[in-house]
Amino acid sequence: GQQVMQIPQYQHVQEGEDFTTYCNSSTTLSNIQWYKQRPGGHPVFLIQLVKSGEVKKQKRLTFQFGEAKKNSSLHITATQTTDVGTYFCAGPQGTSYGKLTFGQGTILTVHP
Amino acid sequence: DSGVTQTPKHLITATGQRVTLRCSPRSGDLSVYWYQQSLDQGLQFLIQYYNGEERAKGNILERFSAQQFPDLHSELNLSSLELGDSALYFCASTGTSSTDTQYFGPGTRLTVL
Repeated sequence: GQQVMQIPQYQHVQEGEDFTTYCNSSTTLSNIQWYKQRPGGHPVFLIQLVKSGEVKKQKRLTFQFGEAKKNSSLHITATQTTDVGTYFCAGPQGTSYGKLTFGQGTILTVHP
Repeated sequence: DSGVTQTPKHLITATGQRVTLRCSPRSGDLSVYWYQQSLDQGLQFLIQYYNGEERAKGNILERFSAQQFPDLHSELNLSSLELGDSALYFCASTGTSSTDTQYFGPGTRLTVL
């Protein structure tokens, strides 16, 4: 079945450093979504990318969708302590209506 | 606030018991998804319902079952509980488009002692 892999599993940074997490799918995706889960919280939708090679920015966050629509990345510039949490990518699973396959997530820790 | 509600927030029970988790989707959303998240684990998809019918099944144990009612709320039933069932259980809802994002509820933390 479809697999979505994320690396790294953990990332510890000093406040002000940049952070990147990578997501790779075993199959071509129609779109990819990113979610953030704060410690003790629930996953919250961040963004959806649909087009091949698409790049979207949200303040210090930059999201990219690969040309082949099988990989994606999330880059955070100058991390802040508020960026702490787990970042998940997710892609639609084949023809299963609306069902998403989530990556294992990258747990980001930011040291002040 | 995502608009998805889950009750109870916390549940502590003993092995061998049965519990029911409840989820109310966002107003107008027809799909409900259930996920299990163990400590430091990702989101394991359990089951999806769409407008009252089961749509997709994931890694759901036979001891677990779910249903979606005519008012679109959903219940996840966990029986013969084991210590390993201790986890966070999230439900999420989406609308009618296959590209809809999922809106997650606050989760139910189940502890099996």
